[in-house]
Amino acid sequence: DADVTQTPRNRITKTGKRIMLECSQTKGHDRMYWYRQDPGLGLRLIYYSFDVKDINKGEISDGYSVSRQAQAKFSLSLESAIPNQTALYFCATSDLGSPQGYGYTFGSGTRLTVV
Amino acid sequence: AQSVTQLGSHVSVSEGALVLLRCNYSSSVPPYLFWYVQYPNQGLQLLLKYTSAATLVKGINGFEAEFKKSETSFHLTKPSAHMSDAAEYFCAAFAYSGAGSYQLTFGKGTKLSVIP
Repeated sequence: DADVTQTPRNRITKTGKRIMLECSQTKGHDRMYWYRQDPGLGLRLIYYSFDVKDINKGEISDGYSVSRQAQAKFSLSLESAIPNQTALYFCATSDLGSPQGYGYTFGSGTRLTVV
Repeated sequence: AQSVTQLGSHVSVSEGALVLLRCNYSSSVPPYLFWYVQYPNQGLQLLLKYTSAATLVKGINGFEAEFKKSETSFHLTKPSAHMSDAAEYFCAAFAYSGAGSYQLTFGKGTKLSVIP
C-alpha cells in the first residue's frame, strides 16, 4: 500500500456541487498538506495542518476548507465547485522531528475537473 | 518570503547529453532545498535534498545538485540523459516563513524532453 493515499484518483463534478477529496497516510507524520498543481504554475499550498488541532491557510485557501479527522487523515472540501478549481490536487506529509524528514511524501494526486 | 525560480519551463536535450536544470532561491537564510520529479500521471518523487551538510548532493537515478550560497543556486545535473529522464522537475525550498511557520515553496517546474 502507498504511504500517502488519495481518493478519488479522478473526479468530474458540476459547478456548484460540494466535493470532498480525501487523504490518508501510514507514515505516522504529524504534518499534512494540500497543494494544487496547475500547468506552468507549479504547486501552490492550499492548507496545512501541523497536528489534529492545528489548521492553517496556505497561499490559495479561498473556496476551500479542510478537516483533520485524525493524525492520519486530512480532507479537502470544495463547498461550491467552480471551473477554475479544475486542477491536479496533491496531499503531502512531513515529519520535522528528524533530520531526514525535511522532504515531503506526496500522494499520487486527484485530478479534479469542474464542468 | 521565500521564492524559488526555475529558469526555463521546457528543456530539451539529446539522449546521452548533459542535463542541466536551473534553480535559484531567494532567502536571507539558506533554506533546505529539494528537487522533485514528476513522471506523467504520477505524483512527486524526491530526487535529492540539501540540508546544510555537503554542498554537492547526490540523488537517485544519477542526478546530483550543487548548493552555491554565493549564487543562491541549486542547479540539478546529470552527465548523460536517458529517455526515462523525460519528466517534469520541481525545485523546492523549505524555510522559515515567519509567525512560527515553515513552508515548502515550489518553483513552477521545468519539463525535460529527451530526444533520441
